[in-house]
Amino acid sequence: SYELTQPLSVSVALGQTARITCGGNNIGSKNVHWYQQKPGQAPVLVIYRDNSRPSGIPERFSGSNSGNTATLTISRAQAGDEADYYCQVWDSSTVVFGGGTKLTVL
Amino acid sequence: QLQLQESGPGLVKPSETLSLTCTVSGGSISSSSYYWGWIRQPPGKGLEWIGTIYYSTTTFYNPSLKSRVTISVDTSTNQFSLELTSVTASDTAVYYCARPYTQSDWFDPWGQGSLVTVSS
Repeated sequence: SYELTQPLSVSVALGQTARITCGGNNIGSKNVHWYQQKPGQAPVLVIYRDNSRPSGIPERFSGSNSGNTATLTISRAQAGDEADYYCQVWDSSTVVFGGGTKLTVL
Repeated sequence: QLQLQESGPGLVKPSETLSLTCTVSGGSISSSSYYWGWIRQPPGKGLEWIGTIYYSTTTFYNPSLKSRVTISVDTSTNQFSLELTSVTASDTAVYYCARPYTQSDWFDPWGQGSLVTVSS
């Protein structure tokens, strides 16, 4: 079965750029979607199809996908960005989620 | 704006069947989208896809749960449902209903989630 690998945690200084990776075999050939989940809340879509932002998501959130790694980039990180982030793809008729990354804003 | 809300028992005994319903508001379940899905999250852990239903007829299930899962749609009540049989403590989780854009795409929106505990 297809696996997505995310770092358990990423730290970023306030106002700096955070990059959260999602690794998978030839993930560049798939559409990658990203979710933000704050404690006690449901996940919220922040990026779909690699690099598209839903309405209401700040331009500070962007995505890229190539080779074996997809990346969610959060520019000018704010305290409110502190959350868990999950990547997701579709493979062999199944939905696959990454294990999640906890983003800490210092 | 489409909204989803889960409902069902918060406690289920081991070996019994977990049943949850997702009520769709702000649109018709038969016209707003043809795809509906369930995802769960054990306490302190990551997200796990359970399954997706298409147009009340075609289903896609997580292979690891397929033998125990049924997802169905009731257009008369604007709801879709999840049944998970023979539950164990490892099925304890927050269960989310959500709308996939297509069976291979993203989920948006999500319900607020419903905690189901499996315990005697």
